[in-house]
Amino acid sequence: AQSVTQPDIHITVSEGASLELRCNYSYGATPYLFWYVQSPGQGLQLLLKYFSGDTLVQGIKGFEAEFKRSQSSFNLRKPSVHWSDAAEYFCAVGVFTGTASKLTFGTGTRLQVTL
Amino acid sequence: DVKVTQSSRYLVKRTGEKVFLECVQDMDHENMFWYRQDPGLGLRLIYFSYDVKMKEKGDIPEGYSVSREKKERFSLILESASTNQTSMYLCASSPSGGYSYEQYFGPGTRLTVT
Repeated sequence: AQSVTQPDIHITVSEGASLELRCNYSYGATPYLFWYVQSPGQGLQLLLKYFSGDTLVQGIKGFEAEFKRSQSSFNLRKPSVHWSDAAEYFCAVGVFTGTASKLTFGTGTRLQVTL
Repeated sequence: DVKVTQSSRYLVKRTGEKVFLECVQDMDHENMFWYRQDPGLGLRLIYFSYDVKMKEKGDIPEGYSVSREKKERFSLILESASTNQTSMYLCASSPSGGYSYEQYFGPGTRLTVT
């Protein structure tokens, strides 16, 4: 069965500093990978996705992620964090069950940004 | 833009009550999903539906049921609410098709069972 691990429960960075959130997946086939962000009191918003092709994918709000098959990783990065980036971030892997495409989520990483 | 709405942002119910959580999407999506979100556990899939009147159990279906009588509406039912069902409930929808993994989420309903 597929699974996603986000090893960091909570990360604190200073505004303007760079950010990397870790994500490791376990899946037997070619993975479809996603990063979602959840701002306080809100639903989840898609940041970016990887299906195939270029292993470095660009997303919204200046985020990018790199797929590394050899490491089973899909880490999220941002060169310079803004205070508004404080939120919870979820990595997910997509699986087609035969009836629908489902997502399996990691447990999330909460990002705190200090000014 | 895809819009997924949930009937309530906050809900307080008593143990043993029957609870209905409603979700509506306006993009004619075939697939709809119900998750619960708990601190440290992330999102866990309760049920999903891939067509009207069609449903499948997710990872944690116990204590829940669902109903999908119309394409745009997907209801989550707690037959007899218990305190361990206090949680944030998120609804999502997605189009069908082999690569249609992207899900669009509603704002969530925070349910408290006392």
